[in-house]
Amino acid sequence: NAGVTQTPKFRILKIGQSMTLQCTQDMNHNYMYWYRQDPGMGLKLIYYSVGAGITDKGEVPNGYNVSRSTTEDFPLRLELAAPSQTSVYFCASQKEPGLQETQYFGPGTRLLVL
Amino acid sequence: KQEVTQIPAALSVPEGENLVLNCSFTDSAIYNLQWFRQDPGKGLTSLLLIQSSQREQTSGRLNASLDKSSGRSTLYIAASQPGDSATYLCAVYNAGNMLTFGGGTRLMVKP
Repeated sequence: NAGVTQTPKFRILKIGQSMTLQCTQDMNHNYMYWYRQDPGMGLKLIYYSVGAGITDKGEVPNGYNVSRSTTEDFPLRLELAAPSQTSVYFCASQKEPGLQETQYFGPGTRLLVL
Repeated sequence: KQEVTQIPAALSVPEGENLVLNCSFTDSAIYNLQWFRQDPGKGLTSLLLIQSSQREQTSGRLNASLDKSSGRSTLYIAASQPGDSATYLCAVYNAGNMLTFGGGTRLMVKP
């Protein structure tokens, strides 16, 4: 059982370039999330999805876009990379909100924008 | 807006010591509180999840407590080992199932 997988593990982008961070989960979870983690800081929510075809903004959505065409995949798109987007990006999934339901996290994608 | 603070930001202890990590949050209207472990270059691993109606949860050498009224949680690690070295993150579940994270405590346990 792979859980939540993310690709790539590491990427260097030039300012103004675009890229897509991939996230896939094999647990048939409805809820999926994208977070970013800056050095020495906690995670901040970028976007989330409660099911295929439904997405919504989190705390820090500017500069990013998402789509959710299937239950398994939740890609995050950066259209015009900026140095402020240098961060580690984590994808997470959850079966559904509930008292004992945890979010499961992928290993992260480290992005450096120069 | 919910804010989560973790103190200390970093901690270094000798092996075998018992230790306490602290987490405080500003809005007591939370659903759950969760402690995660993060190893360098890795994702987050859930350690303990405490429901808002519970006071504590235990798993092996770990014990987490929750005091909603005062906006505090502690993670107690007994008989620390070098393998416990990692960053520990506290996170609260708010309305709408949104997670708010603290900045983490970076723990180093020296042999």
